[in-house]
Parts: sequence; structure tokens; C-alpha cells
Amino acid sequence: GAVVSQHPSWVICKSGTSVKIECRSLDFQATTMFWYRQFPKQSLMLMATSNEGSKATYEQGVEKDKFLINHASLTLSTLTVTSAHPEDSSFYICSARESTGSTYNEQFFGPGTRLTVL
Amino acid sequence: KQEVTQIPAALSVPEGENLVLNCSFTDSAIYNLQWFRQDPGKGLTSLLLIQSSQREQTSGRLNASLDKSSGRSTLYIAASQPGDSATYLCAVTSGTYKYIFGTGTRLKVLA
Repeated sequence: GAVVSQHPSWVICKSGTSVKIECRSLDFQATTMFWYRQFPKQSLMLMATSNEGSKATYEQGVEKDKFLINHASLTLSTLTVTSAHPEDSSFYICSARESTGSTYNEQFFGPGTRLTVL
Repeated sequence: KQEVTQIPAALSVPEGENLVLNCSFTDSAIYNLQWFRQDPGKGLTSLLLIQSSQREQTSGRLNASLDKSSGRSTLYIAASQPGDSATYLCAVTSGTYKYIFGTGTRLKVLA
């Protein structure tokens, strides 16, 4: 099956610094990738839709200047949390949809990145 | 706006029991419904995906059904085992390909 990786798997940073998280589709091309965040004991909430070669589309309430998304190639999307604060501590998960347009419209999920901001 | 709800929020059962997890959604115009498992601190494991034209899917001890008209799906787990303990999430997709996740059911199977 299709594999999506994320790097790093966990990161600890000081308040005020920026952190970049990578999401890669390893064996398929992904025109569209999605970024989710998950707080402890809560469900996944969609943050933004990342489109290769164009600007990301953010969900209501998500600050685009805070969470910078770049989808520079068909296999890589990055999420940069700028000037991170403790309230940004969360589990970030990406997913990718095949460019060929899967009949099932299935997305494949990465293993997640745990961010802790001190 | 699509909303997805899962009942119960938490469930504790003895090993060997058959159990049913419920998922309901408010907008029946969906493409797919997918069930996932999430272990603590881990990512998502896809269990079953049901297309909007399908009524059910089966994999091993798992069976998922979909009733689009009523906005419901159930995940049936037969002969539960302690290794089934996890959080189960359902998610629906529509024309925008976005996944809208349910609130989750935390399952604990006691040995």
C-alpha cells in the first residue's frame, strides 16, 4: 500500500522558535496533501489543504501566517510552525492523496509528529 | 457543515465479546466513509473503507456497514481481544476530498 512518512516523529523546542515538519509520499505522487492537528484525547481537526505548486487553503480559525505550508513537489509538503508557543504543542498528522485520482478518493496518513513547545 | 459523531465515547468490555461502534454524520452527500484505529501516541491505521455505493466491508473480525440515507455507519468487532484496545475513529469525505473525523470511541478490552 501507499506509504506516507513524516519527519521528525517528535520535536521539542523553546518558545519563540520555528519548527518545520516534513510530510513525504514515498511511493506515489500526491497533488494534494492535508495537515491535521490532534490535541490529547481529541479527534483530528483539519488545518489546511496543501496543493502542489499553489497556495495552501486554510480552514477557518487557522492562522496562515502562524502555520506556513509549502508543497514544492509532488512528494513533499512541509508545515512550519512559526514563533511556536506552548499552546501549539500538539500531534500533527499529514495525509496524501494520489495524483492519479484514486477511484476511492482514499488518503494515506503519515505516522504523525509530536510537537512539544517549552 | 458536516458533523461526525461517535457513540459511545468510551467502552470497556471483557475479552471475547462481540461489540458495535457507532458513527453518525449529518450530511449524507459523502464519497467514502473510513474507519481507523489509533493506538496511544501513534498515527492512524486504516481498517476499512466503504465507498458511498457500498453497504458494507469486511476484514477478518471486522465488519463495517454504511447506511447513507440515515447517516450512519457501524463497526462490528467479533470476538474482541485485548490487542483490540485502541481509539477507533470514523471519517467521511465529500467532493473536496477533506476528511471530517468523528469524535472517536476509546475501547478497552479486558483480559
